[in-house]
Order: sequence, then structure tokens, then C-alpha cells
Amino acid sequence: QVQLVQSGAEMKKPGASVKVSCKASGYTFISYYMHWVRQAPGQGLEWMGIINPSGGSTNYAQKFQGRVSMTRDTSTTTVYMELSSLRSEDTAVYYCARGDWIHYYMDLWGKGTTVTVSS
Amino acid sequence: QTVVTQEPSFSVSPGGTVTLTCGLSSGSVSTSYYPSWYQQTPGQAPRTLIYSTNTRSSGVPDRFSGSILGNKAALTITGAQADDESDYYCMLYMGSDIWVFGGGTKLTVL
Repeated sequence: QVQLVQSGAEMKKPGASVKVSCKASGYTFISYYMHWVRQAPGQGLEWMGIINPSGGSTNYAQKFQGRVSMTRDTSTTTVYMELSSLRSEDTAVYYCARGDWIHYYMDLWGKGTTVTVSS
Repeated sequence: QTVVTQEPSFSVSPGGTVTLTCGLSSGSVSTSYYPSWYQQTPGQAPRTLIYSTNTRSSGVPDRFSGSILGNKAALTITGAQADDESDYYCMLYMGSDIWVFGGGTKLTVL
């Protein structure tokens, strides 16, 4: 079954880091990019960045550069998104989404991981 | 910084037709931006509707269609149904491995 399974909800204090995982299954892991998208409560979707699981190259939205890191483990077909120096505005649902690199869109979504940042 | 613009809200009567648009704060949207559209209901992950301007994703009813209208990408729903009431987001590929979402349109069917 083609799916993306994300890790569970996280609660963090301001200034901490969070690492969210996204395990891919049912398809060839290195044949698709992986995007990370977040959605703050009551807000729209926000593109954070992308990782190429084949070589591990990444590209991040300017807003998150210096604070986000996306990595992958090909042995477990899992990608990770780590966000550091958390602040309350980072409270959001974080989605991984498989990227089609021919048509430049997201064709498969994880169910999302809720990250709450609160003191 | 380029902003992707969408109507904040729209309403349509059941059975009616509605066109949502996706523009740029500066410039025109063309097929080179590979516009895609996503539907999201509260508490759910987005669902992919349209990619590459006008190609429906697998399983998407043909009442959803995409196009370029003037200088914007457009999503048209023909014969709107109650369960089309959702938030709709467009996304554009800006080149150099950068993507940007629009702010979303809240569609009401009433």
C-alpha cells in the first residue's frame, strides 16, 4: 500500500527542537522527492522545503533557512524534518508530501503531525 | 517576494458552477509554473485535485477542471455538490526547487 506514515504529536518548549519523521512505503523511495508543508491553526498551507531521497540534496524556503534540516534514511525509507529554536508561532500541523518531479506537484500526503510549542 | 493570490472566500449554489483563481502579486501565471490545486476539509490532510494546470489526479471527479484564464490559473467546479465545501489551495512551482502556496479559498456551498 502506497502511504506516508508520520510520527506522533509533539509538545515542545520555546527554544527547543523537534524532529518529525515520515516513513514511506509501497513505492520506490528514491524515485520521488519529499516535501514538507506546515499549517498553523486556522491558517493556510506553507511550503517549508524539499529533500531528494536519492542523493539527500535539499532546498528550503527562505523563511526557514538556518532553522530547518531535512534528512533521509534510505535503509528505513524514512525522511526527517527537524526544526530548531522553536517559538510559539511554529505551533502547526506538519505534513510530508511526496513530490512528483516531472509535474512539480505533491501526489501523496501524510496525515500530519501536530507540533505544539508552549511554555 | 512574490505572493500567490487567491480569493479568500467564495460561495456557490448546489449544482452551480464556480471558478477559483490563482494569481501572482507580480506577473502572470502560465503553464510554466505547473499550477496544482489541493482540496482540504477541516482536520484532514490536503487532497490533490489538479496538477500541471489541467490534469486531474487519480479518482478526482470530472466536475473539477483546471485551466489558465487570462493571467491566472483557475479551478472550475461544475455542478457543485455539498461535499465540495472545503478550502482550496493552489500551488505554483517558482523554479530552482522552490514552491509557493496561495493563501487558500474557503468555498461555501449553499
